[in-house]
Amino acid sequence: DIQMTQSPSSLSASVGDRVTITCRASQSVNYHLNWYQQRPGKAPKLLIFGASSLQSGVPSRFSGSGSGTEYTLTISSLQPEDFATYYCQQSNSIPRTFGQGTKVEVK
Amino acid sequence: QVTLKESGPVLVKPTETLTLTCTVSGFSLSNLRMGVTWIRQPPGKALEWLAHIFSDDDKSYSTSLKTRLSISKDTSKSQVALIMTDMDPADTATYFCARISVGHCTDTSCYGGFDPWGQGILVTVSS
Repeated sequence: DIQMTQSPSSLSASVGDRVTITCRASQSVNYHLNWYQQRPGKAPKLLIFGASSLQSGVPSRFSGSGSGTEYTLTISSLQPEDFATYYCQQSNSIPRTFGQGTKVEVK
Repeated sequence: QVTLKESGPVLVKPTETLTLTCTVSGFSLSNLRMGVTWIRQPPGKALEWLAHIFSDDDKSYSTSLKTRLSISKDTSKSQVALIMTDMDPADTATYFCARISVGHCTDTSCYGGFDPWGQGILVTVSS
């Protein structure tokens, strides 16, 4: 199984901050890397697929980059509704696997 | 509008078998390369992928749970079922189903994620 490791596990930030979350895979996932946002008590929402493609309807302040085994999610200017937990997920091989999550909290 | 909704028991006893149903609307389970996946999330913990099934009946399972899981679909009812045997308190979680979406394809690969998701159903395992 491909292991997905996110860092940090949590971070504190303020509205307007630039936030970056990293996801490392135990082997290359060939750009088959997706990012999700989960607000408390809600189902996850797809933000980014294919490492860098913005899902329809997702604000442009979210962006993804990376290749091989290392990928990043960037929020260019954090908004109040962005305080949530973020997960990466690989869809390169079976079984699909998720990172452990990164909680973005209010500073 | 594409929607998915999970249904099933909210309380099961240890050793029992859990059967969950995902009812979809806004798309057909018979469409080419259409897929549905199941994911779970124990309270306060991370997401865990369980299984998926595609329109051609291609199925895959979690490595650690594959001996306990079975996924199937009823295209005429627009439903995907997940069966998990020998339930344990450690299986207490919110169970989600989601559509496997395809965002774009190149000559060699298609890229996409899980979108949209159902609201989830909290299943508690307790005697």
